Amino acid sequence: QVQLQQSGPGLVQPSQTLSLTCAISGDSVSSDTAWNWIRQSPSRGLEWLGRTYYRSKWYYDYAVSVKSRITINPDTSKNQFSLQLNSVTPEDSAVYYCARWHHYDRYFDHWGQGTLVTVSS
Amino acid sequence: DIVMTQSPLSLPVTPGEPASISCRSSQSLLDGDGHNYLDWYLQKPGQSPHLLIYLGSNRASGVPDRFSGSGSGTDFTLKISRVEAEDVGVYYCMQALQTPHTFGPGTKVDIK
Repeated sequence: QVQLQQSGPGLVQPSQTLSLTCAISGDSVSSDTAWNWIRQSPSRGLEWLGRTYYRSKWYYDYAVSVKSRITINPDTSKNQFSLQLNSVTPEDSAVYYCARWHHYDRYFDHWGQGTLVTVSS
Repeated sequence: DIVMTQSPLSLPVTPGEPASISCRSSQSLLDGDGHNYLDWYLQKPGQSPHLLIYLGSNRASGVPDRFSGSGSGTDFTLKISRVEAEDVGVYYCMQALQTPHTFGPGTKVDIK
């Protein structure tokens, strides 16, 4: 049974870096799938942020809206992946989810529990 | 980016009665392989979204058969044949054709 366990701070100061981790159990971060970050806010709804996946080498795709500020990193030693979002503003306040992508039929089949992140001083 | 719209945005329902949600995409989700890359998710209060329907009409594992998806190209529908109290929440369609994957604004279903 695949489970995704998120961790990270719920409060980030403006201009600082938001950092979240998604620990994977029941699958491997290097498996034939993709690992995603999605956020949800009242103003923007559900917004896909980016993904990483392994196909002989690591690939990364990011949403244009955050491309200059985002990094998603896999960690094979800990079987997890992370999100870093730099230079945050209050507009980045949201519930952040990690999610696994079913590669062949194309859907998000497993989601983390969500982390509410508030950007405020 | 592909823009997803849904209607209605709010849907009060009576238990035992049918319900229907419409989803439209700004471009066709029908791929060259013949599949429509449209998913439906339900987010129950206080929970993460979970998959109901994929490829436009395929029920995910464990999803009751009162849920059905239909449509092709740019127009899709989610139907609940007989609504139950546990079906309350927000329903989202999402295009799975290309990144960035984009979601509809959601349809909030609650009991009258």
